[in-house]
Amino acid sequence: GAGVSQSPSNKVTEKGKDVELRCDPISGHTALYWYRQSLGQGLEFLIYFQGNSAPDKSGLPSDRFSAERTGGSVSTLTIQRTQQEDSAVYLCASSSLKVGQETQYFGPGTRLLVL
Amino acid sequence: AQKVTQAQTEISVVEKEDVTLDCVYETRDTTYYLFWYKQPPSGELVFLIRRNSFDEQNEISGRYSWNFQKSTSSFNFTITASQVVDSAVYFCALSVSNSNSGYALNFGKGTSLLVTP
Repeated sequence: GAGVSQSPSNKVTEKGKDVELRCDPISGHTALYWYRQSLGQGLEFLIYFQGNSAPDKSGLPSDRFSAERTGGSVSTLTIQRTQQEDSAVYLCASSSLKVGQETQYFGPGTRLLVL
Repeated sequence: AQKVTQAQTEISVVEKEDVTLDCVYETRDTTYYLFWYKQPPSGELVFLIRRNSFDEQNEISGRYSWNFQKSTSSFNFTITASQVVDSAVYFCALSVSNSNSGYALNFGKGTSLLVTP
């Protein structure tokens, strides 16, 4: 079946603009995760969705970041008033929550460059 | 808190050599999961293997093998007879179940493997 997809693949924006990143998980996967990969910080976890609910948003880097998931499927990560330090690759992963099937499968990522 | 250490930042080998990538982890949880992911130049993270803390059996998949030792908190990855296509960054990761973060992965910094002809 289809894997995790993300759009756009690349995004160049000007400082101060808002951006929206989209993730389409593997069909039937209840869990969805957002990570950020940057040179300085490596791979860091941002937020987890179980269905449409995100129990804890404290991993988001700042209050300029928000995320939502609708219909237990597509998720969007929104960054408001982008800053240069937001430049990174944003990765989405999904998994089942059934015992023994918690492996996360990743999308190709969105490369964000804030000028 | 969970922590994963990959002490080798970069490794360079010649094709057909064997290479071992080291991974050491820290956790106080008794139930946890260990993973290896491969990130080729294209950038996508590709799942390689998952082990749970109750299964110390080593695993072999083709040229790949994994050695899980709880006594030393290590989960090392060996590529036998390396090939140019093995060139990538390899990440070791640890997860535990948490109601707030699900099975969120704690990644090591990664080891960049370069295999030259």
